[in-house]
Amino acid sequence: GQQVMQIPQYQHVQEGEDFTTYCNSSTTLSNIQWYKQRPGGHPVFLIQLVKSGEVKKQKRLTFQFGEAKKNSSLHITATQTTDVGTYFCAGAPAGNNRKLIWGLGTSLAVNP
Amino acid sequence: DVKVTQSSRYLVKRTGEKVFLECVQDMDHENMFWYRQDPGLGLRLIYFSYDVKMKEKGDIPEGYSVSREKKERFSLILESASTNQTSMYLCASSLIGSYYEQYFGPGTRLTVT
Repeated sequence: GQQVMQIPQYQHVQEGEDFTTYCNSSTTLSNIQWYKQRPGGHPVFLIQLVKSGEVKKQKRLTFQFGEAKKNSSLHITATQTTDVGTYFCAGAPAGNNRKLIWGLGTSLAVNP
Repeated sequence: DVKVTQSSRYLVKRTGEKVFLECVQDMDHENMFWYRQDPGLGLRLIYFSYDVKMKEKGDIPEGYSVSREKKERFSLILESASTNQTSMYLCASSLIGSYYEQYFGPGTRLTVT
């Protein structure tokens, strides 16, 4: 079936280091969303990417959508302890209205 | 800010009991969702509603039903709770034109013994 693979599953970094998580879809996507879930919290919407090759930035976070619209990445520059949490991607398969396929998330731990 | 509230943060029920989980949103969102979140399985959609009294099955609707009598309220019902329904249940809502920008409630951790 359709799935979105997210890697790595876990990442442990020193504060100040960069971090990247990747999502790869088995099918072409019409858009992809990124969410963050803090430990003990609930998912919080970060951003939506729609266009092929799109790059969006939010302060130290850079989101990319691949040219083929089958992969995406989230890069955090100079991590801080406030970045701790699990980052999920959720892709909408092209031609399948209102369907969302969630990745299993990448858990980020940051050592101060 | 959108606020999505859920009736309980923690709930313990016995096998066979009927369980009601309530969700209320205060931003006049048309879409409402129920997910369950389990380690290693991620978020899985149980049911979705796009309007009052309207519902669609998600990926794992078996053993669950829903009710949406008012726009702001979406209830998840476990007709006869089973131990494999022990999970974190998350409610979410979104605007009709922004289906994918979902706002989540704090979650209900349900334990069925």
